[in-house]
This record gives sequence, C-alpha cells and structure tokens, in this order.
Amino acid sequence: EIVLTQSPGTLSLSPGERATLSCRASQSFSSDYLAWYQQKPGQAPRLLIYGASNRATGIPDRFSGSGSGTDFTLTISRLEPEDFALYYCQQYGSSLFGGGTKVEIK
Amino acid sequence: QVQLVQSGAEVKKPGASVKVSCKASGYTFTSYDINWVRQATGQGLEWMGWINPNSGNTGYAQKFQGRVTITRSTSINTAYMELSSLRADDTAVYYCARGRFLEWLQPFDYWGQGTLVTVSS
Repeated sequence: EIVLTQSPGTLSLSPGERATLSCRASQSFSSDYLAWYQQKPGQAPRLLIYGASNRATGIPDRFSGSGSGTDFTLTISRLEPEDFALYYCQQYGSSLFGGGTKVEIK
Repeated sequence: QVQLVQSGAEVKKPGASVKVSCKASGYTFTSYDINWVRQATGQGLEWMGWINPNSGNTGYAQKFQGRVTITRSTSINTAYMELSSLRADDTAVYYCARGRFLEWLQPFDYWGQGTLVTVSS
C-alpha cells in the first residue's frame, strides 16, 4: 500500500507570499493519478489539481502542481486571503490521502 | 448541476449501527463510482470504500472490512454507507464523493456536504 507523506505539517506565510507544499509517496506511481484538494473549516474538500498538474474547473492559475514518481508539489504562487486552508494530496488509484498541510497566516 | 446531498446528523450509542445516505443529481448516477471518506475532528481524510452504482460492486479499505457496507438504489439515485459496531472513535464527519467514471480512474470531483456521526453513551 502506498503511503503519502505531506510536509510541512503547517506552513506559516503572509498574503502575497509563495507557498510550496510537498507530497512524497512510499513508492513510485503514475503522476496521472495524483490529486490535490483544498479544505476550509466546516466545508467539504474541493478538488484543485488532478493528474499532478491539471487544474480543476474554476481553479485560479496561481495554483499549480508538478512532480512525478514519488515526489509531488503544490505551489500557490501568491497567497490570497482565501487560500489559507488545509491541503491534501491523494493517489486516486488507491484512493488514499496524505496527512495534510495547513497553510496558516503568519 | 452535479449535487450530492447527504442525510442529516446522527447520534448513536456504542455498539449500534448507522446508515448515511447520499443522493446524487445532475448527472448519470450509474456512470460514476461513489466513495465514502470520513474525517474525525482535527484529523485528516480517511477513505473507507466505494461502490459502482451500475454493477453494485464494492471495495472497502482494509481497516473497515467487515464493519462497513456500501449499497445503492438506482431507482432513487442514492448511495448508502452503513457502519456497524460503532465505537467512540468512529465519531467523525462522513462524506460521499464522486469518483471513477466508467472504467477510467478520476479524482473525487464532487463531494457531499458531510454528515456528522457522533457515537456517545
């Protein structure tokens, strides 16, 4: 079973700064099946990125995904106030999720 | 528009069972898998299992094997998740989410609003 480890656990940044979130897999898999989700308090997760680098419908272009093999990255180029939230990666071949990264206001 | 609407909050005693529903609209129900994911307070997302509404085939995470049953009713476009032998640590928000399209893997693109299940004596 693939295990996804997200780092850091918490990222403290200011609006306008760049956020870089990491998702590392215990074994290599196709980037076709890597997704990122955003979750705000009291809300269901929202799909941001699929296939490692494809933005879902309606997702702003400040969100980008990259990576392959075992190392994947979600980048938010310039943080907007509404971007402070929890972020999860998922290998949707197995449906398993990483533990999450919280992006908080510094 | 695609919507997944879940049933309301539940309070159960330890040892009991709970059944949560997820009614789909805005798309062909039998073309996409429905998955169930739970989240305890302050914790991450935990995938529980899936159902193919067309065939009724299911798959469950090993952790929940023997305790979870996912079913569907195609006549009313609704999927169900039943969890038995409830314990206090089953207290969580339970989500349904749309997944695989026919034979093609895809991410969970639409989610229900969540159902809080509280297990307490």
